[in-house]
Amino acid sequence: GEDVEQSLFLSVREGDSSVINCTYTDSSSTYLYWYKQEPGAGLQLLTYIFSNMDMKQDQRLTVLLNKKDKHLSLRIADTQTGDSAIYFCAESMDSGGYQKVTFGTGTKLQVIP
Amino acid sequence: NAGVTQTPKFRVLKTGQSMTLLCAQDMNHEYMYWYRQDPGMGLRLIHYSVGEGTTAKGEVPDGYNVSRLKKQNFLLGLESAAPSQTSVYFCASSSTSGGALREQYFGPGTRLTVT
Repeated sequence: GEDVEQSLFLSVREGDSSVINCTYTDSSSTYLYWYKQEPGAGLQLLTYIFSNMDMKQDQRLTVLLNKKDKHLSLRIADTQTGDSAIYFCAESMDSGGYQKVTFGTGTKLQVIP
Repeated sequence: NAGVTQTPKFRVLKTGQSMTLLCAQDMNHEYMYWYRQDPGMGLRLIHYSVGEGTTAKGEVPDGYNVSRLKKQNFLLGLESAAPSQTSVYFCASSSTSGGALREQYFGPGTRLTVT
């Protein structure tokens, strides 16, 4: 079965880099995603990576995928107070023609000024 | 273009009462989803729909029913509310274009308390 795990909390100082980690169990994942949830709001897609890629960079964001260890990470460079939010890892896989998406538990990032 | 909207934003129910949560999307998306979010448990899928007139069970469907009579609307019903259904409920939608990429667009959530 599929299971997506994340640590619940991360605290960093403004200007430092943040690294949020995620492990998943299903090796047939098609895409892996990072969503951001700001207080009182729904989730928004932050970035994603196709399963045949190792790395994706998008401005301050770097996504690393280690398929052998089923490990996904999100690095945020020069973390700002506006980055404080809950970050969800998610994976999608084909389930009888339907792309099933499974979300992790979310990591709450606290940025200290 | 409002995206995904949910009504109501907040609701307090007594045990045994019923209610319907409404989700609407104006992006012509085929897929729609209902999730609940509880502390430390992330998002759990309640029910989903792959098109108008179709629904399917997700991870935690018990105590909920859904209907998708129109493509743009997805309704979540609680027939007899229980305190265990106190949660924040999110609706989402996604397109079938873009291959296997399934970006989900989320509504702002409904905070439900059952006393």
